[in-house]
This record gives sequence, structure tokens and C-alpha cells, in this order.
Amino acid sequence: EAQVTQNPRYLITVTGKKLTVTCSQNMNHEYMSWYRQDPGLGLRQIYYSMNVEVTDKGDVPEGYKVSRKEKRNFPLILESPSPNQTSLYFCASNGGGSYNEQFFGPGTRLTVL
Amino acid sequence: KNQVEQSPQSLIILEGKNCTLQCNYTVSPFSNLRWYKQDTGRGPVSLTIMTFSENTKSNGRYTATLDADTKQSSLHITASQLSDSASYICVVSYSSNFGNEKLTFGTGTRLTIIP
Repeated sequence: EAQVTQNPRYLITVTGKKLTVTCSQNMNHEYMSWYRQDPGLGLRQIYYSMNVEVTDKGDVPEGYKVSRKEKRNFPLILESPSPNQTSLYFCASNGGGSYNEQFFGPGTRLTVL
Repeated sequence: KNQVEQSPQSLIILEGKNCTLQCNYTVSPFSNLRWYKQDTGRGPVSLTIMTFSENTKSNGRYTATLDADTKQSSLHITASQLSDSASYICVVSYSSNFGNEKLTFGTGTRLTIIP
């Protein structure tokens, strides 16, 4: 089944404790993104990657890092999480083509205490 | 500033009834407009995607329209079912200065279907 997977789905952590949220897609997509979703706001892009070893900042990159060493994986790294990073995070990959359809993962709910 | 505004914020209707959700955008240069369905606690799932030249597209009981002149779109749901209860998000894509496609998301309409 074509899908985007994320782990963990839920995470509660404390301020300053480094964490990584993994993302993997099995559709051989080149373009992948990370978004955060907060109440009353639309999804906002954190980082994106157009291919292996090619990443760039989205609209809200502060406090986050990413890497793209393999085409299928695009982990999101919070080196020193803070409470304002409490949010619902989504990984997505793009199918390309004329519609460039985007497929989202199931989400990771992160709480930083 | 690129913006996507949706109305209403929330809507409650009886099962079996029809409804229409609205989306207005100020995004340029326009590439395409998408409607997503997001169930609570799940990732958004694509319903329809329309380019500039398309003014209507259907996906089962979902029909989206696009008026590129007035920069408005609507999503019409026919014969609603309990499983239609979800948030519906309007997303407009545009080409960035660097040539890649960027997305601007609306905040969604929360639809509740009651028996």
C-alpha cells in the first residue's frame, strides 16, 4: 500500500531533550515536506526536500533541523525542544506530475513540557 | 500576502442533507487549488485538485468548483453521511521565486453530520 508513515504518533517530552520524528514514504517520491498544524492556523511548512541531500527552509524553520540521506526517509530533528513547539506535525511527499498531488502521513502529536 | 480564507468555520447539518463550503484566496501566481478532508487525528487526504483551466471537478459525492476570475472555490457535498464529519481544508499552490511549488493552507471548515 502506498503510504507515508511517521513515528512516533504521540510524544511527550521535556524542554531541551533532543528528539527525532521519523518519516518514510514508499512511493519513490522526490519531494518531501514537514508541516506543523496549530489550532486556528493553517498547516505551515517547516522544511522541505526536493531530493536526496537537497533541503531548504519553509515558512517556520526556527528550532528544527532535517536531513535527507535516502530518498524514502526525511526525519525531523528538534535539537532543544521548547514548549512553543508543542504541535501536531505532518510529513508529506509529492507525487509530481501535472497535479503534483501531496500525500500526508498520519501525524505526530508532540507535547513539550 | 498570500492568503486562503474559508467559510464557515464550522457547520452542523443533518445526515442526508447537502452543504457547500466556501474558499476565497489571494494567491499569486496561481498554480492549482486543492480540497482536502482531514478526519480528527489523521492526516489530510486529497479530494480534488483543479488547475486554472478547470472550473469543476467531482469525486463521488464531492464536487469542487473554481472561479479563477473572482478567486473563489466551493466544495459541495451531496447527500451527506456520518463519515463526512471532518475538517475540509482548501489549499492553493503557487510557484515560488525559486521555481518550486509552495502551498498556502486555509484554516479549514469543521463539518459535523448529525443523525
